[in-house]
Amino acid sequence: DAKTTQPPSMDCAEGRAANLPCNHSTISGNEYVYWYRQIHSQGPQYIIHGLKNNETNEMASLIITEDRKSSTLILPHATLRDTAVYYCIVRVEGQAGTALIFGKGTTLSVSS
Amino acid sequence: DSGVTQTPKHLITATGQRVTLRCSPRSGDLSVYWYQQSLDQGLQFLIQYYNGEERAKGNILERFSAQQFPDLHSELNLSSLELGDSALYFCASSVTWGSTGELFFGEGSRLTVL
Repeated sequence: DAKTTQPPSMDCAEGRAANLPCNHSTISGNEYVYWYRQIHSQGPQYIIHGLKNNETNEMASLIITEDRKSSTLILPHATLRDTAVYYCIVRVEGQAGTALIFGKGTTLSVSS
Repeated sequence: DSGVTQTPKHLITATGQRVTLRCSPRSGDLSVYWYQQSLDQGLQFLIQYYNGEERAKGNILERFSAQQFPDLHSELNLSSLELGDSALYFCASSVTWGSTGELFFGEGSRLTVL
């Protein structure tokens, strides 16, 4: 699986949009971009994933550049409960035995 | 609540001992994954099972072993425990071994080796 690069930490004011970048310049054509988050020692939680097109769900939006070498996770109105470590992972869909390989992620701190 | 159940939530034991961690996947999920999270290593993938068979191996030590039973629950066995084995152990499940989308994680078992 391709490697990802994320900033180690980011700050965001409550109520503002949090934009978390991820670089995956070596991504292959059949690799998806996944985002998970982990709130203080809880089990990681799925947020969103995508291949080429931008995706949106009730939690967040995922913007993938046209060349697919980077993406941005957007939390439109961050709250204190969004303080967590956010992981960007690229993974081949449907491949036998493919687990999620987590990097160090970005620690997002939301403050009032 | 992810639907994945892990027991015990906390476990304290001594070096050299053996422990078993248990995971019940979400109803209908055939694949189970085990992860270890220690302070200095982050989330490390250990092993994956699908419908009772081993499908993928990560950084799992030889002192550790796992299995998935016919009712799809899984157990992770840790033996000859060392201080460095102290960590959070997470189990996750998904519908199929190569599925897209979500892995559902349990709340973890915190192991402390003294």
